[in-house]
Amino acid sequence: AQSVTQLDSQVPVFEEAPVELRCNYSSSVSVYLFWYVQYPNQGLQLLLKYLSGSTLVKGINGFEAEFNKSQTSFHLRKPSVHISDTAEYFCAVVLSGGYQKVTFGIGTKLQVIP
Amino acid sequence: DTAVSQTPKYLVTQMGNDKSIKCEQNLGHDTMYWYKQDSKKFLKIMFSYNNKELIINETVPNRFSPKSPDKAHLNLHINSLELGDSAVYFCASSPREVRDTGELFFGEGSRLTVL
Repeated sequence: AQSVTQLDSQVPVFEEAPVELRCNYSSSVSVYLFWYVQYPNQGLQLLLKYLSGSTLVKGINGFEAEFNKSQTSFHLRKPSVHISDTAEYFCAVVLSGGYQKVTFGIGTKLQVIP
Repeated sequence: DTAVSQTPKYLVTQMGNDKSIKCEQNLGHDTMYWYKQDSKKFLKIMFSYNNKELIINETVPNRFSPKSPDKAHLNLHINSLELGDSAVYFCASSPREVRDTGELFFGEGSRLTVL
């Protein structure tokens, strides 16, 4: 079975500073990887996804992530954060092939400090 | 127009009661899901339906019973509510298999509080 580990439960960062949110996964087969964002009192929405091809994936709101198969990681980065980026970020994994459930990490709270 | 809508948004009830949460999606998706988010924000799948057929049924107490009258609707009925059922329940949908687009479309959640 696949699993996802988000190494940081909270990440405080000053506005306009860069940020990296870490995600590692474990699976014995190929996976698809995602980052979702949850703003306060809202549902989750997709930031970006890796299905195949280029290992550097660009998403919405200036975020990007890099798939590293050897390190089984899919870290999320943004070069300059804004106050509006304050939210909960979830890494997720799906086994490739067939109907499979999405397994989410426990989330990382990004707190942007003015 | 809300793509995935859930009702009610907030639900406060007593232990032992029975309650339902409704979900509708107007995206034309084939697959719908119920996820539970606990107080620590951990998100866990409960059920998944594809064209009204149950395809994922995680280890969930049988007090929880999903019903899908058609592929645009997936309701969740909970019997004999317990304190531990307090959580935010999210409905989501996706076109066919998740892997095709990799995207789940979530509703805004239904916050259930059991007193």
